[in-house]
Amino acid sequence: QKEVEQDPGPLSVPEGAIVSLNCTYSNSAFQYFMWYRQYSRKGPELLMYTYSSGNKEDGRFTAQVDKSSKYISLFIRDSQPSDSATYLCAMSEGNEKLTFGTGTRLTIIP
Amino acid sequence: GAVVSQHPSRVICKSGTSVKIECRSLDFQATTMFWYRQFPKQSLMLMATSNEGSKATYEQGVEKDKFLINHASLTLSTLTVTSAHPEDSSFYICSARGQEHYGYTFGSGTRLTVV
Repeated sequence: QKEVEQDPGPLSVPEGAIVSLNCTYSNSAFQYFMWYRQYSRKGPELLMYTYSSGNKEDGRFTAQVDKSSKYISLFIRDSQPSDSATYLCAMSEGNEKLTFGTGTRLTIIP
Repeated sequence: GAVVSQHPSRVICKSGTSVKIECRSLDFQATTMFWYRQFPKQSLMLMATSNEGSKATYEQGVEKDKFLINHASLTLSTLTVTSAHPEDSSFYICSARGQEHYGYTFGSGTRLTVV
């Protein structure tokens, strides 16, 4: 079993829809949770960073962490074609090493 | 915000030659730098972690004599792929972390093709 599980997709939704992306994990020591967006042939770009459980909102993006269920989510409201990318969840115990999910390929259809 | 510059973005080399990839933190001091490898449609695989002024820590299965990492200053780390072979063709990405913020800033990646 992988430490971090993420549905690779692909996921296609119409423009304006709400997108829900999720990851589950098995390591209860993870304390830091991040979402990255990666465009084709580019490095990942940090979207959201959350420490421990709770919600965090930034513009159209909302990150949720439920440590009791070992489940994290990223919601994108009013999705735009420019949101089309691969979204990677990442987690850390705080010891610097990041563990990534496999990434979900998202396409927003105009 | 924090910026990491990675060069070259793309390189093609002949089998048996060596290739050096540079990773620079432009506006912060990177106490720790990470090197990843990414295969098509797959996630990032951590190759090694380097701290300024000390030897890199390699992940299991990564050949340290083949992938030489140097982190000589707080703003520069290099990855040298020695005696490259076609199976080394991949997308290599660096990331850096500074003391001032939590968060890992990634470079734009290097597409290596060995022919």
